[in-house]
Amino acid sequence: RKEVEQDPGPFNVPEGATVAFNCTYSNSASQSFFWYRQDCRKEPKLLMSVYSSGNEDGRFTAQLNRASQYISLLIRDSKLSDSATYLCVVPHNTDKLIFGTGTRLQVFP
Amino acid sequence: DTEVTQTPKHLVMGMTNKKSLKCEQHMGHRAMYWYKQKAKKPPELMFVYSYEKLSINESVPSRFSPECPNSSLLNLHLHALQPEDSALYLCASSQVSGMYNEQFFGPGTRLTVL
Repeated sequence: RKEVEQDPGPFNVPEGATVAFNCTYSNSASQSFFWYRQDCRKEPKLLMSVYSSGNEDGRFTAQLNRASQYISLLIRDSKLSDSATYLCVVPHNTDKLIFGTGTRLQVFP
Repeated sequence: DTEVTQTPKHLVMGMTNKKSLKCEQHMGHRAMYWYKQKAKKPPELMFVYSYEKLSINESVPSRFSPECPNSSLLNLHLHALQPEDSALYLCASSQVSGMYNEQFFGPGTRLTVL
């Protein structure tokens, strides 16, 4: 089993839709989780950190399910500008981040 | 200021050239990282510096040589690269090293090796 797994997509959704991505992780001892957003040919940008059961920031909600070892990212009222690749990231012991392969989202008018 | 800067933005070099990539942050972060990213793949960790000391080398070939002159600067010296080393090289920093520390990425240097 990969350390961090994501559905690569693409998820094609209309503006205004709600979309959710799941990410599963293998290390049950993981304590923190991150969602990064990466636009084409740009750097990853931190979208959200998750340290407990979840986090919410505007239209974005991240939820953590420790028992099933997955984290989800929910985007409400999708905008065209949300089109990007969303990377699920789980720290591995100390300094090393394990990146999922990313889920591509395309929001269309 | 939550910015990590990298220079140059683009670099084209021959296999016999020596060049350096530079990264700078003024957030007071004490951990800095080099990543390599190929197209349609996630970033791969290369090196980690913690308090200006190299703490992780992910078995990177010796043609890549990192240097941390001070707590704000990180360099990556390149020598005798191969065409397969062409990629986006990303620098990142975090307050300190550790699994709770969010990493902030610079815009990257897009490297082409001819």
